[in-house]
Amino acid sequence: AQKVTQAQTEISVVEKEDVTLDCVYETRDTTYYLFWYKQPPSGELVFLIRRNSFDEQNEISGRYSWNFQKSTSSFNFTITASQVVDSAVYFCALSAYNAGNMLTFGGGTRLMVKP
Amino acid sequence: NAGVMQNPRHLVRRRGQEARLRCSPMKGHSHVYWYRQLPEEGLKFMVYLQKENIIDESGMPKERFSAEFPKEGPSILRIQQVVRGDSAAYFCASSPEAGGPLNEQFFGPGTRLTVL
Repeated sequence: AQKVTQAQTEISVVEKEDVTLDCVYETRDTTYYLFWYKQPPSGELVFLIRRNSFDEQNEISGRYSWNFQKSTSSFNFTITASQVVDSAVYFCALSAYNAGNMLTFGGGTRLMVKP
Repeated sequence: NAGVMQNPRHLVRRRGQEARLRCSPMKGHSHVYWYRQLPEEGLKFMVYLQKENIIDESGMPKERFSAEFPKEGPSILRIQQVVRGDSAAYFCASSPEAGGPLNEQFFGPGTRLTVL
C-alpha cells in the first residue's frame, strides 16, 4: 500500500520569505513517481513536477525547487521569495509502477502568503 | 490540443436524485482516472478505466456509484440516489499510458457536486 504524509496542514508566511513544504511517502515498490500539484482558490489542479524513483537529482524551476531524498523517503518543495500568488493548497502525490498507476495524494498543505 | 474537459462544472442535486459527471480525456489518451475531493481533504482515487474496461475500481464506494468509458464518447461517473455526503469535487484525469515515462496524469477542472 502507498501512503503520502504532508504533516503541515497550514503555513502562513510574509511575502518574500522562503518556505518549504514537507512530503514523506511510503511504498514497497522500487519504481515509483512523485508529484507535486498546486490547487489555487479557483479549485483546479495545476501540475508542478514529476520525479521518478531513480532520479534523485534536485530540481530548480525559477523560484521553485524540489529536494528528493530516498534515504528519508521525502520529496520536499521549497518556494523562494514567496509571492501572494503562491497562496494555494499544495498536494504531494505518489504513483507506484506496480500498483495500478493511480495517484495517492497527501492531505495537502495550505500556504498563505501575506503581503 | 484541448485539455481534459469535465462537465458540468457545478451540479446541484437533491437527495435521492441521480448525478452524472462527464469527462472527455485529452486527445490520444486512453486512460481515465476519477478522484474525489471531500471538503478540506486531499484527493482520493476512485476508479481507473481504459476504453470499455474498468481496470481498478478499488476506491469506488460499493453501492450507488458506477463508472464507464465507452468506445465512443466521454467517461461517465454516475451516482445514484445521492446523499449529502456525496457533496464533493470530482476530478477526472487522463494519461497516454498506464506506466513508464508517459504516465503523467493531466487533470480536468473538476465538477463540484452539491447535494441539498
